[in-house]
Amino acid sequence: QLQLQESGPGLVKPSETLSLTCTVSGGSISSSSYYWGWIRQPPGKGLEWIGSIYYSGSTYYNPSLKSRVTISVDTSKNQFSLKLSSVTAADTAVYYCARLSPYYYGSAGAFDIWGQGTMVTVSS
Amino acid sequence: DIQMTQSPSSLSASVGDRVTITCRASQSISSYLNWYQQKPGKAPKLLIYAASSLQSGVPSRFSGSGSGTDFTLTISSLQPEDFATYYCQQSYLKYTFGQGTKLEIK
Repeated sequence: QLQLQESGPGLVKPSETLSLTCTVSGGSISSSSYYWGWIRQPPGKGLEWIGSIYYSGSTYYNPSLKSRVTISVDTSKNQFSLKLSSVTAADTAVYYCARLSPYYYGSAGAFDIWGQGTMVTVSS
Repeated sequence: DIQMTQSPSSLSASVGDRVTITCRASQSISSYLNWYQQKPGKAPKLLIYAASSLQSGVPSRFSGSGSGTDFTLTISSLQPEDFATYYCQQSYLKYTFGQGTKLEIK
């Protein structure tokens, strides 16, 4: 079955760029049915959507993070990636990648398959 | 931005109890509302999508209702494995989560 796995550094220095990759296995990221997304969760806090991408490269972002976020896709590797620039301690969180499944073709939807998450700490 | 407010923030209940969690949107979101369950150290799990549709594999004791701005998640008879944190999430305009409801054992 479809699985997602996040990877990347667990420690990032303040003001630097956080970079994570999500590898999709058991299915193709190029499926026309799905978007793919990044969600984060600071320790002991709730969930925050960061942004989403389609296999074509079309993206949309959380307005509160938009100026610092870039999400990209590499269909040849069945991966999509997150870059978050100018990080501070407030960006310390577990970062999840997830599949966004539409309610019906072309509609909004829900995150139905998630990676296990990766903890990223911002500290010098 | 659409704000999602859950109530209560925490809840104590016993095995076998019927439990209801409420989620309110700051504007109408039609039925673009999803519910997730999260256990400590684990990724969230989709329970209900489009306000009332049960995700495949989720027990039928979970149900969702509502439209517009007011939504509920109901667990008809609590099981030990249901003690977790529950989040609502709107998908009407981008994506926003509620702050969560922690369901604890009484």
